[in-house]
Parts: sequence; structure tokens; C-alpha cells
Amino acid sequence: NAGVTQTPKFRILKIGQSMTLQCTQDMNHNYMYWYRQDPGMGLKLIYYSVGAGITDKGEVPNGYNVSRSTTEDFPLRLELAAPSQTSVYFCASSQTGHLNTGELFFGEGSRLTVL
Amino acid sequence: DAKTTQPNSMESNEEEPVHLPCNHSTISGTDYIHWYRQLPSQGPEYVIHGLTSNVNNRMASLAIAEDRKSSTLILHRATLRDAAVYYCILRGQGGSEKLVFGKGTKLTVNP
Repeated sequence: NAGVTQTPKFRILKIGQSMTLQCTQDMNHNYMYWYRQDPGMGLKLIYYSVGAGITDKGEVPNGYNVSRSTTEDFPLRLELAAPSQTSVYFCASSQTGHLNTGELFFGEGSRLTVL
Repeated sequence: DAKTTQPNSMESNEEEPVHLPCNHSTISGTDYIHWYRQLPSQGPEYVIHGLTSNVNNRMASLAIAEDRKSSTLILHRATLRDAAVYYCILRGQGGSEKLVFGKGTKLTVNP
């Protein structure tokens, strides 16, 4: 049972480079999220999606883009990497009915360093 | 988005109960209270959630105040494995899915 899978686990980027963090879930969850976590800090919501074709901004969306063409995949794109984007990125998914009681399932994280 | 307030850190001894508080004075009537924890170098994991009544599961208990403006996560016998950052978040029913985590409470468990 794979759950939420993130790739890559580690990546070093140069300033100005672009890259995509991949996130896939095999639980047929409709909701997906991207968070970042800076050292010693809590999680900050970057973007989220309530279903295929629908995305919305979170707390810290600047410098990132997302798409949700399928239920399973929710990639996060960094267009022009900056040192301030050095962080650990977590993808999560959940399934909710009308009661919105679904728990979040998190991936193992992707550690990104921008030099 | 309704916010939560938690102490930055707490300490406990192994085998003793731990009560982790969370204030959410602006909670709406349809918000669920969720708790997650994050072990070192791992992603967060679900612990428990509730709406109005106290809840128990194999990991913990959740005590919710009658006015729902605060809640307490209870670990009945802390172990060294329970050392983690614990997050309390609110999840609205049929509303925004903009799930915001605060800084959480870092729990240290002493042997």
C-alpha cells in the first residue's frame, strides 16, 4: 500500500533553475495539498486542490505553481529557484465526505536546497 | 480561517500522562478539531479528531471543552516514541479546505 509518494527525496538546485516536485497518491483521494517546512518551524500551506482541474492558493503560494490534471497526481513547480525556497516539502491527501472528517495522509517529504 | 494556539513546548517523564492543550476560541459550530504529530525527520501523521464529544483511540484521547473553545490531547502513558511536535488544527465542514497548521507543541519525553 503505497499511500502518498513524493519524488525526489533530495535535490540541490542552483539559483534560477526550475524543477518539479512530484506527488502521487493511490488512495483515490479527492483533496491534495502541498506544504513547506523550514527548519524548526511549522508547516506552511503552499497550494491545495479539491479535485482534478481545481487548485487554489494557500498561505505562501508565491514562486510556485501547481496543476491537477488527474486525481492521482499533484505536481509542484518551482520556476525560478531562490535560496528562500530551501525547505522540506510535504505533499498530503485526504478523502472527505460531507462531514469533512477525513484524515490527512502525508508523504515522506522532499528536501530541497537552493544554492 | 479559524486559528489555534498551542504552547511552544512541553516536557513529560516516561510512563506519565501528558495533557497537550489547544485553544481555538474562534471555532465555528461545524469545525472539526484534528490533531497530528510529527516525529523527527518524518512527515506528520494523524492522531485523532473530534467535533463535540470526547474521543478515544489506540493512540490518544481527545477532550473537548463544552464551549468547544479549547481541547486537550491526552497521552495516557508517554513513551520515548511519543517525543514529537503535536499540531492542533481545525477542519471545516463543507467549507474551506485551506488547512493551516500552527507551530505546534514540541513534546520532550524524559526517560
